[in-house]
Amino acid sequence: SQTIHQWPATLVQPVGSPLSLECTVEGTSNPNLYWYRQAAGRGLQLLFYSVGIGQISSEVPQNLSASRPQDRQFILSSKKLLLSDSGFYLCAWNPWTGDNEQFFGPGTRLTVL
Amino acid sequence: AQSVTQLGSHVSVSEGALVLLRCNYSSSVPPYLFWYVQYPNQGLQLLLKYTTGATLVKGINGFEAEFKKSETSFHLTKPSAHMSDAAEYFCAVRAGAGSYQLTFGKGTKLSVIP
Repeated sequence: SQTIHQWPATLVQPVGSPLSLECTVEGTSNPNLYWYRQAAGRGLQLLFYSVGIGQISSEVPQNLSASRPQDRQFILSSKKLLLSDSGFYLCAWNPWTGDNEQFFGPGTRLTVL
Repeated sequence: AQSVTQLGSHVSVSEGALVLLRCNYSSSVPPYLFWYVQYPNQGLQLLLKYTTGATLVKGINGFEAEFKKSETSFHLTKPSAHMSDAAEYFCAVRAGAGSYQLTFGKGTKLSVIP
């Protein structure tokens, strides 16, 4: 069966510090991968998606970037965090074939102080 | 472009009462529709989905939803609320023909009053 992991689970970082969040999927090949952010009371915001290694599409201009160095690894990064980067970050995946159902990771709670 | 509207950002029901969470969608292609549940500080979990076939869909935890094309709706119901149903619920529609993305509604937070 497939599983999705995210780490760390929680993170507290000062403004201006770098960021690296990691997401890995097991038990499948060539998944579509997604990064979402939830800010308080603002629903799910799609940040990035990837259909293959090295292929990243950005949905919202921002202080963040994403990379996919391996088939089942998706990384969210920032060089300098802003207060507005605080939120709950979710990684998700779905297969190339199917009905669009997405499978979500447990999330990372990021607090920027 | 596809869109989802969830009526009511907060809904409160008494324990044992009917749960009704509303979702209306706009889609230029036959919709694939989803309901997800999110408990505090957790990821989203699929409750149920509609792709084709029977329009009344049953999901986990006693929830069901009915696809009504004429009303462009996919409301989520449960006959009797339980305290454990307190969570946030998201409705989603596939983002378009040939797309594997989902377009999510803004979510409805369900509170259950003992």
